[in-house]
Amino acid sequence: EAGVTQFPSHSVIEKGQTVTLRCDPISGHDNLYWYRRVMGKEIKFLLHFVKESKQDESGMPNNRFLAERTGGTYSTLKVQPAELEDSGVYFCASSQASGIGENIQYFGAGTRLSVL
Amino acid sequence: GIQVEQSPPDLILQEGANSTLRCNFSDSVNNLQWFHQNPWGQLINLFYIPSGTKQNGRLSATTVATERYSLLYISSSQTTDSGVYFCAVERSVGDYKLSFGAGTTVTVRA
Repeated sequence: EAGVTQFPSHSVIEKGQTVTLRCDPISGHDNLYWYRRVMGKEIKFLLHFVKESKQDESGMPNNRFLAERTGGTYSTLKVQPAELEDSGVYFCASSQASGIGENIQYFGAGTRLSVL
Repeated sequence: GIQVEQSPPDLILQEGANSTLRCNFSDSVNNLQWFHQNPWGQLINLFYIPSGTKQNGRLSATTVATERYSLLYISSSQTTDSGVYFCAVERSVGDYKLSFGAGTTVTVRA
């Protein structure tokens, strides 16, 4: 069974440009999460989808970030326009749990974003 | 929010040595996971362990939820154990989001 896959693995863009990151969760996982790690800091939560609905977007830094999960399958995270401080590694994770069950999150390899 | 502290920040081991990594958290948790970040950047699940003890090969983990800490043991370390080890917690049922510690960077020398 395929794990969480993310594309691209690395993106280098100039300040002011737009970048779109993609995440394909594990098949059958309703929960999808985005996290990011900026230089020297901890991995931080960005948002959580349950199927196609945004359950929690409390970690989104500002309105330059837009996440979508049309159809409840793959998700995209768009940064527009990108700023220097957006550089870092963006991780996607997915989990199967609902309600009070075990919520084991499985992570992808991340997309390393460099904004120059 | 919940605070997660990992120690030590860096650890250098000789191949074959044993080690213990620690994760302290500031509040009760519903979920605790240990991850190993491999050289390609992927976060690999090691344990889901909100309480109790689990073992998987040379790795084992113990979480004492009442005292708000978890330990990850690496025995007979190998060079492939090198990388960053993260502890992450989910604060309460239905919270879902994980709060991560800063990680412990382990270097195993041949």
